[in-house]
Amino acid sequence: DGGITQSPKYLFRKEGQNVTLSCEQNLNHDAMYWYRQDPGQGLRLIYYSQIVNDFQKGDIAEGYSVSREKKESFPLTVTSAQKNPTAFYLCASSMKVWGNQPQHFGDGTRLSIL
Amino acid sequence: AQSVTQLGSHVSVSEGALVLLRCNYSSSVPPYLFWYVQYPNQGLQLLLKYTTGATLVKGINGFEAEFKKSETSFHLTKPSAHMSDAAEYFCAVRPFGNEKLTFGTGTRLTIIP
Repeated sequence: DGGITQSPKYLFRKEGQNVTLSCEQNLNHDAMYWYRQDPGQGLRLIYYSQIVNDFQKGDIAEGYSVSREKKESFPLTVTSAQKNPTAFYLCASSMKVWGNQPQHFGDGTRLSIL
Repeated sequence: AQSVTQLGSHVSVSEGALVLLRCNYSSSVPPYLFWYVQYPNQGLQLLLKYTTGATLVKGINGFEAEFKKSETSFHLTKPSAHMSDAAEYFCAVRPFGNEKLTFGTGTRLTIIP
């Protein structure tokens, strides 16, 4: 079955450490997204990518970085500059950024601080 | 800029009762509208979407929603609640010609046995 795989499911970060969250999709979608979810705040967009080797900042990009070297993969790095990284991170994909196609979501990675 | 308001962060209904989750949006152009459901520690799953055409949209698990342009609303309903409906529900809007999908803050639905 096609879908989005996020790993790991749980991740712990030490002070001053960068961590990378993996997101892989086999839906042949052009667009991919990273969201941060905090209780009571809904989903906030961190970064998105319309095509390989291209990505755009979302509403809360500070302290995060991404790459899009392959169509299937869109890893997110939470850097030490992100002072409040504890959250649930969701990766999504869609056929295109534009239009009426819905986004499909992975099962998330929960990041906590040690 | 578009926005989404979900009235009621928590809603409780008895098993077998009507489920009504409210969503109002603001958008300067006609929108595409979506409802998603999230179970604990999982991602979001699409329930239904409105693009164009019929304003009453049927989705999975017996849910439906009606697009009312005059009220800028897209409320989600289900005639008879089931215990398995307990989850968090998100409304989202993407205006036509805009690439950004904006989510509401979610409504947690509790089903009382």
